Order: sequence, then structure tokens, then C-alpha cells
Amino acid sequence: SQTIHQWPATLVQPVGSPLSLECTVEGTSNPNLYWYRQAAGRGLQLLFYSVGIGQISSEVPQNLSASRPQDRQFILSSKKLLLSDSGFYLCAWSMDSHNEQFFGPGTRLTVL
Amino acid sequence: EDKVVQSPLSLVVHEGDTVTLNCSYEVTNFRSLLWYKQEKKAPTFLFMLTSSGIEKKSGRLSSILDKKELFSILNITATQTGDSAVYLCAVAPPDNNDMRFGAGTRLTVKP
Repeated sequence: SQTIHQWPATLVQPVGSPLSLECTVEGTSNPNLYWYRQAAGRGLQLLFYSVGIGQISSEVPQNLSASRPQDRQFILSSKKLLLSDSGFYLCAWSMDSHNEQFFGPGTRLTVL
Repeated sequence: EDKVVQSPLSLVVHEGDTVTLNCSYEVTNFRSLLWYKQEKKAPTFLFMLTSSGIEKKSGRLSSILDKKELFSILNITATQTGDSAVYLCAVAPPDNNDMRFGAGTRLTVKP
């Protein structure tokens, strides 16, 4: 069966510091991978998705970036965090673009 | 602009009650509508609906889609405290990569 991992679970960072969140999927190959952000009391906002190694599509212009260095690894980064980057970050995977997405446990980021 | 609107925003019921959650949408390209349950962390997948009028059922949960009126409902019968969660509705375009989520309905089931 497939499992998806995210770390860290929680993170508190000062404004202007860098960020690196990691997501890995086990039990499948060549998954589609997604990064979402969920602000308090709001729905999920798609940030990036990837259909293959090195292929990244960005949905929202911002100071975040994503990379997919390996088939089942998806990384969300920032060079300098802003207060507005605080939120709950969720990684998800799907078998392809026509199937449901399955979510990881999430990372709660607080920028102070 | 694509919109997914869920109602009510929050709902408090007692165990054994039946609830109906609503999701209406306005999107330019529609392929499917998905329901998720989010307790504390990861949303868990409930249903994916692509055809009008065909009910999907899983235990006490069921859902149906109306593509003419652009809405879906999620029904939960004989609610239990474990049903307490935020229920998210998402609408997916033909390639599913850009799902649009509603803000969710927070359901609280009291014993």
C-alpha cells in the first residue's frame, strides 16, 4: 500500500529565514505530487504540482518554490520567509491526473 | 473566476441525527467533484463524483451530484461523535491537477 510522509510536523521560523519542507511517497512510482497551503478557516490553495521528475507547475506567484529531485520526493522551499507564509502545508499524491489525491499529515508553519 | 461554495460553514448536531452538507460550484471546466473529511491533519478521501444523479455510498455516508444545477450534497445518517470534522468539497477540471476547494463545513456531533 502507498504511504505519504511529510516533515517536519511543526515548524516555527523567524521572518527572513529560509524554508525547506519535504514530502516523500512510498509504494508507488511516478506519482503526481502536489503542495497545498491551508490558511486558518479557509480551503486548500494549490501552490505547485509535478507530473514527473524536474517538472514543476506553479499555480500562485509567491516567494515559494518547489523541486522534485527524485521520483517520489517533493520539496517546498523559500529563501526568505514572510509573515504571510504561515499556515498548514499539505503534500498530496495521485496516481495520475484523473484520480483522487491522497494527502500527507501536513506541516504547520508559524513565521514570527 | 471559479468558485466553490460550501454551506453551512458550521453545524452542531447530536448523535443519531442526519445531516446534509451542501457544495455548489461555478467553474469553467468541470470533470469531477470530490469530498474529503479533515479531522486534525490530513484530509481523507471520501467520494469522487463525475456523473449526475448517481449516488455514491459508503456506510452511513452518501453523496450525489447534480451537474445541471451545479451542486452536490453529502449526507451522513445516524451521526456519531467520530463524524466530527471539517468536510471539504473540491471541484476538479479535466486533468484534476488544479482542484478548487471550498472553505469547508465544520461538523460537530455532540454525544
